[in-house]
Amino acid sequence: AQSVTQLGSHVSVSEGALVLLRCNYSSSVPPYLFWYVQYPNQGLQLLLKYTSAATLVKGINGFEAEFKKSETSFHLTKPSAHMSDAAEYFCAVRGGSYIPTFGRGTSLIVHP
Amino acid sequence: GAGVSQSPSNKVTEKGKDVELRCDPISGHTALYWYRQSLGQGLEFLIYFQGNSAPDKSGLPSDRFSAERTGGSVSTLTIQRTQQEDSAVYLCASSPVITGTGDNEQFFGPGTRLTVL
Repeated sequence: AQSVTQLGSHVSVSEGALVLLRCNYSSSVPPYLFWYVQYPNQGLQLLLKYTSAATLVKGINGFEAEFKKSETSFHLTKPSAHMSDAAEYFCAVRGGSYIPTFGRGTSLIVHP
Repeated sequence: GAGVSQSPSNKVTEKGKDVELRCDPISGHTALYWYRQSLGQGLEFLIYFQGNSAPDKSGLPSDRFSAERTGGSVSTLTIQRTQQEDSAVYLCASSPVITGTGDNEQFFGPGTRLTVL
């Protein structure tokens, strides 16, 4: 069994501030974890993925995420938010199944 | 290269009508997924095709929903006797050959926005 919880349906930050989007998962086997971004009226695009090679994963557009097994977390961060980062972000887990489970998404709002 | 494409981009229909949504995956991708995205609900898995294997239909919400994949490529999602609660964005995604590691990412199309009046 696998599940994902994204804390906070909306996160609001100022331009230049730290971005932190939270994701906690559960999986009965070692998981693969993904973060996707969705811009308005577009499909989802992969930001980064964890595949057990390294616990700190770097993705596109300056985002990174750290896998913490003890906390069952895979939080997404970016040191300095840009206006262009405003979008919907989805965390997904795949553990023992070829069908990933997605979180409900977090809408990132960036204020000038 | 070409990504996943879906058509139509928008579909407005009347309650009770049937609709067909089309997905063209990336060439060579053997895995294909359909999801439904409702406001504030995240992605709801509908159906999964992998090569010539029988599809996993465990996510289809009712027998009004069906999907097929012809020739291992194009897929069509059909909703019969549409209801207002079927209004949502329907997303298609494809993946390359699924290896034993299962870490392949999904490539998503732009979706079809379905509105049932």
